[in-house]
Formats: sequence, C-alpha cells, structure tokens
Amino acid sequence: YVLTQTPSVSGAPGKTARITCGGNNIGSKNVHWYQQKPGQAPVLVVYDDSDRPSGIPERFSGSNSGNTATLTISRVEAGDEADYYCQVWDSTSDHPVVFGGGTKLTVL
Amino acid sequence: QVQLVESGGGLVKPGGSLRLSCGASGFIFSDYYMTWIRQSPGKGLEWLSYISPSGTVIYYADSVKGRFTVSRDNAKNSLYLHMNGLRVEDTAAYYCARGQQLADYWGQGTLVTVSS
Repeated sequence: YVLTQTPSVSGAPGKTARITCGGNNIGSKNVHWYQQKPGQAPVLVVYDDSDRPSGIPERFSGSNSGNTATLTISRVEAGDEADYYCQVWDSTSDHPVVFGGGTKLTVL
Repeated sequence: QVQLVESGGGLVKPGGSLRLSCGASGFIFSDYYMTWIRQSPGKGLEWLSYISPSGTVIYYADSVKGRFTVSRDNAKNSLYLHMNGLRVEDTAAYYCARGQQLADYWGQGTLVTVSS
C-alpha cells in the first residue's frame, strides 16, 4: 500500500495550511499524522483520521475521505514549521504499517 | 508521564553488530505493543519492527528481516533491537515507540552509523 504526500507546502502566519496524503481508498483506513521538527523525534498530532492526543492544539485537525486524507493547520504559527508524515495500518498487507514520504511545511 | 529512552547506538563497521535498548517508564510496559522505527539521514520514516506485549507476535520489515531481532524484557521495562550484518544503508536514527497500529509516544532516538 502506497501513501503519497506532496514534498512541500507553504503557509502564511495566521492562515490555514493543508497537507494531503493520497492512497487507494484511504477513506476506509484510519490515518495518523506525525509532526517532526528539525533535530527532534516525531510527535503524534492526529490519530484515527481526526482525533487529537492530549496537549495538541485544536488548530490541528484531520479529515479522511475517498482517496485523500488531509491534515489542516489553522492559524499557522512559525513553530508549526516541520515535516509532517501520514501513516496507516493496512491489515490486509504483509507489511501493515505504511508511512507517507513526508511533507515539509514552510511558514512564510 | 510516558518516557522512552534509547541507547546503544554508535559507529560500527559493515558486517558488524549492535544491540539497541529502550527503557520505558510512566506506563504499564507489559500491556503494550512496542515498535522500532528508523530514519536515514535526510530521509523519511521506516517502520522496522513491532513486538506484542507477550513477545509472541513479531513483525519485521523486509529490509531487516533475517538480520535484526526484536525482543523485550517486561520485568525490566525494556525493549531491544539486536542488529547483525549491518550495512552502510542501515545508517540512521533509530527510535523506539509505543504501539502497533500507530506510535503514540516516541523516544528521542539513537544514532547508528555503519561505515568502514
């Protein structure tokens, strides 16, 4: 199973940034999103398409339908500049855990 | 709070071996699947292996199958990755994480460099 992410996305402070993750019928799977800032370990920011772990700002939200899942960051801040990875669990596969290639969010 | 601390990384020659360790605290270790994930320099994330709470269910990515062995000691709240036959392409930051279908907590990572 292959997840496709746009390599880079930019967003202006205070605006909304959207990062997409494409996969065949991805809407039938649970999608998880991780944020990785330079030199740091990844952090889970959205799980099961649209849920947020405790401590993650409400500005981070997710959706998933059809062949595209989307991570939406509202009111973008400079501190949101990071790499973002989508990930799914494909129970039908011999290789069930799949990451997307990552998207670099640049805050303008 | 949940803490995961990796250790054991370093510089090793091609064909060599290393054992990575991950100490866990802040949760009931024996209740959770645990996972190893790596990231090559400048590259994306690769899910390497997971192990069930009892150790009876284990998964390996094709890239490490037959060379790496995951294990755990629930009495010591510790996860291990035994790496044999290391290759230059195994050079990466290695992270332990909690979970199987997703990784909800990650350690800070330990760097493995394979070079002659």
